Amino acid sequence: QQQVKQSPQSLIVQKGGISIINCAYENTAFDYFPWYQQFPGKGPALLIAIRPDVSEKKEGRFTISFNKSAKQFSLHIMDSQPGDSATYFCAASSTSGSARQLTFGSGTQLTVLP
Amino acid sequence: DAGVTQSPTHLIKTRGQQVTLRCSPKSGHDTVSWYQQALGQGPQFIFQYYEEEERQRGNFPDRFSGHQYPNYSSELNVNALLLGDSALYLCASSLNGGGADTQYFGPGTRLTVL
Repeated sequence: QQQVKQSPQSLIVQKGGISIINCAYENTAFDYFPWYQQFPGKGPALLIAIRPDVSEKKEGRFTISFNKSAKQFSLHIMDSQPGDSATYFCAASSTSGSARQLTFGSGTQLTVLP
Repeated sequence: DAGVTQSPTHLIKTRGQQVTLRCSPKSGHDTVSWYQQALGQGPQFIFQYYEEEERQRGNFPDRFSGHQYPNYSSELNVNALLLGDSALYLCASSLNGGGADTQYFGPGTRLTVL
């Protein structure tokens, strides 16, 4: 099963709050888990990524938590700002032959209120 | 350092027509992947090109075809357009091998089929 399930579909957070987006996967061959941020009319931009050999990765206000046994990973945005308002996609990939393809979640529309 | 560029930005076609979308990868990248993003959904993998060959293909009909040139730029061709082909078409570039998994996306081409 190649699906990546993402929740919630939409999220409203006050400025300064913590935004949490969750993803779950089935395919145990996945070994790379990036998060992308997409603004309207733009292509997805890579935010942060993790491999399953670590349980957490932090870059600035963005943290990925990874639970290999549960096959779940999440994005935490600390001190959320109105400029963070965008759609966030989790993704997963594995090497099939020599190629990598990204399997995306369905997206979370984040709104940060001023 | 130029990022991934795509042309045209927008395109309007009618059912049954053919369309060609173009992509120039990020400087230094040799691999190009194409994704289709329907409104409100995550991107879906179409295919990936490396060394001018299609290396992997997603679940898309053979109406979708592509090409990669020696300078690594790529084209996506769609024949016999259907209304359901209306979407944002994204090109992503990466560097093959060495565990370099990061895919960088272009701004996309918005295709509308009437």
